[in-house]
Amino acid sequence: QSVLTQPPSVSGAPGQRVTISCTGSRSNIGAGYDVHWYQQLPGTAPKLLIYANTNRPSGVPDRFSGSKSGTSASLAITGLQAEDEADYYCQSYDSSLSGWVFGGGTRLTVL
Amino acid sequence: EVQLVESGGALVQPGGSLRLSCAASGFTVSSNYMSWVRQAPGKGLEWVSVIQSGGSTYYADSVKGRFTISRDNSKNTLYVQMNSLRAEDTAVYYCARGASHAEYWGQGTLVTVSS
Repeated sequence: QSVLTQPPSVSGAPGQRVTISCTGSRSNIGAGYDVHWYQQLPGTAPKLLIYANTNRPSGVPDRFSGSKSGTSASLAITGLQAEDEADYYCQSYDSSLSGWVFGGGTRLTVL
Repeated sequence: EVQLVESGGALVQPGGSLRLSCAASGFTVSSNYMSWVRQAPGKGLEWVSVIQSGGSTYYADSVKGRFTISRDNSKNTLYVQMNSLRAEDTAVYYCARGASHAEYWGQGTLVTVSS
């Protein structure tokens, strides 16, 4: 059972928009800690996609965007492409655990 | 260019020990927060441990008392010593650089705990 809650799967057709939610609690997201998102393509290491709630590292397309409100955060992907098919994880810090916490991951399927 | 290269993964029996290494290049390990994150087969990511730039260390409850994170400044390398290994420790272990989040990841090394 992950500390942060994500839907196990989402799907969308090419060109569509999908969102992935990440719900935490008062000891992590709700305490004001930033949320970060990672993309993991099959058989590869995770890659940073969004950091500090809304920021994209260099090289990440602006089709990816993040937001945060209260005890939750969301990742939005617009203009869905086949290459976006991957697992997506949210991550924050938890003050009661004194370490990083991850969501269980969401598998994105491009139909 | 920042690079992280893990090594040391192996098949080990329950109750055994293993030390993983993460050789860093392009930056100084001792000046950064460095973490270990693992991923069991077919499962999600789990934070394991962190060593802060100041040397403080923290562990997930699941490994506390069994794993020890450390670094060798002269070799610019991060380590995790894993003792009393259990079947549930079977995973790909990644090292990562970053304080609030993992800016960079290694490619991972597989640890299998089985008799």
